[in-house]
Amino acid sequence: AQSVTQPDIHITVSEGASLELRCNYSYGATPYLFWYVQSPGQGLQLLLKYFSGDTLVQGIKGFEAEFKRSQSSFNLRKPSVHWSDAAEYFCAVGSNDYKLSFGAGTTVTVRA
Amino acid sequence: DVKVTQSSRYLVKRTGEKVFLECVQDMDHENMFWYRQDPGLGLRLIYFSYDVKMKEKGDIPEGYSVSREKKERFSLILESASTNQTSMYLCASSLAGDSNQPQHFGDGTRLSIL
Repeated sequence: AQSVTQPDIHITVSEGASLELRCNYSYGATPYLFWYVQSPGQGLQLLLKYFSGDTLVQGIKGFEAEFKRSQSSFNLRKPSVHWSDAAEYFCAVGSNDYKLSFGAGTTVTVRA
Repeated sequence: DVKVTQSSRYLVKRTGEKVFLECVQDMDHENMFWYRQDPGLGLRLIYFSYDVKMKEKGDIPEGYSVSREKKERFSLILESASTNQTSMYLCASSLAGDSNQPQHFGDGTRLSIL
């Protein structure tokens, strides 16, 4: 069974600074990997996904993520954070069945 | 645009009540899911349905049941609500297939059991 670890519970970043959120997964084969964002009071919105091919994937809102098989990681990055990026971010891993496993989430606070 | 609608944003019920949470999607998706979200635990799958009248248990099905009589509607039922079922409940849908199909989420129902 697959599993996901997001080591950082909470990150505070200044507006305009760069952001990196860590995600480590456990799965035997090549997984399907996702990053979702949840703004306060909202459901989850898909930021980006990785299935195969180029290991650097671009998503919405200026986010990108890099798949590193050797490190079992799929870290999310944004070069310059905006106040509207304050939210909770979830990494998820899927396999060849219907099930997605989610990490516990990382809350991002943006300070002016 | 994709739309998953959950009937209530906030719900307060009493211990022992039978509680219904409704979810409707307008994307003709085959798969539908119910999750609960708790701080520090992320999302945990309660039930999954891949077709009308078909369902499979997720990771935490105890105390819950589901109903899918129509393709667009997936209901979560708390047979006898308990305080430990106070949580945020999220519904999602996706196209048929395995987990490479992205899931689309509703805005959630925050349920309080008193």
